[in-house]
Amino acid sequence: EAEVAQSPRYKITEKSQAVAFWCDPISGHATLYWYRQILGQGPELLVQFQDESVVDDSQLPKDRFSAERLKGVDSTLKIQPAELGDSAMYLCASSLEGTADTEAFFGQGTRLTVV
Amino acid sequence: AQSVTQLDSQVPVFEEAPVELRCNYSSSVSVYLFWYVQYPNQGLQLLLKYLSGSTLVESINGFEAEFNKSQTSFHLRKPSVHISDTAEYFCAVSEIQGAQKLVFGQGTRLTINP
Repeated sequence: EAEVAQSPRYKITEKSQAVAFWCDPISGHATLYWYRQILGQGPELLVQFQDESVVDDSQLPKDRFSAERLKGVDSTLKIQPAELGDSAMYLCASSLEGTADTEAFFGQGTRLTVV
Repeated sequence: AQSVTQLDSQVPVFEEAPVELRCNYSSSVSVYLFWYVQYPNQGLQLLLKYLSGSTLVESINGFEAEFNKSQTSFHLRKPSVHISDTAEYFCAVSEIQGAQKLVFGQGTRLTINP
């Protein structure tokens, strides 16, 4: 069964260091999302891609976060420098079209701990 | 902008008992409504969704949710729960127009006790 792949599953980093997460969406899915889920809260959208273009990055802290999807397939989310408050689960999701009624499929996430 | 409130952060129930997980939303525009489930150590999975038509929607594993526009609610129910239903449940909305942008509630942790 096709699934969204994320790596690493867990990451511990020291504050002020750089960290990167990788996501491979389901084959053929044009839309890719990165969400952040802080412990005890629901996921919040950070950035949405349609193919290689950013559709929405209004909630992405652009001073330290960056995201790219160069060939319109897999994607990387980077944080530099990491801060203690960045500790969270980072979820990647993909959907076939990205319209409001289309199901989004989520990966297992990368749990980041900043120490 | 939209917001979603899940009124219970944790719900413990006994196996085979009924359960209701409450969800209220706020939006100035029309929205689609979703329930996602997150089993331990797994990603979120779509449980059910309301797009249009009948206000009562069902999942394949016995859950149902009813869209109530006047009360802006989308409560999730199951008449008899199983141990395997232990998970975190997230209610979410998305504006009908434009690209999907899911706005999630805080989640409700459902714990089934034998």
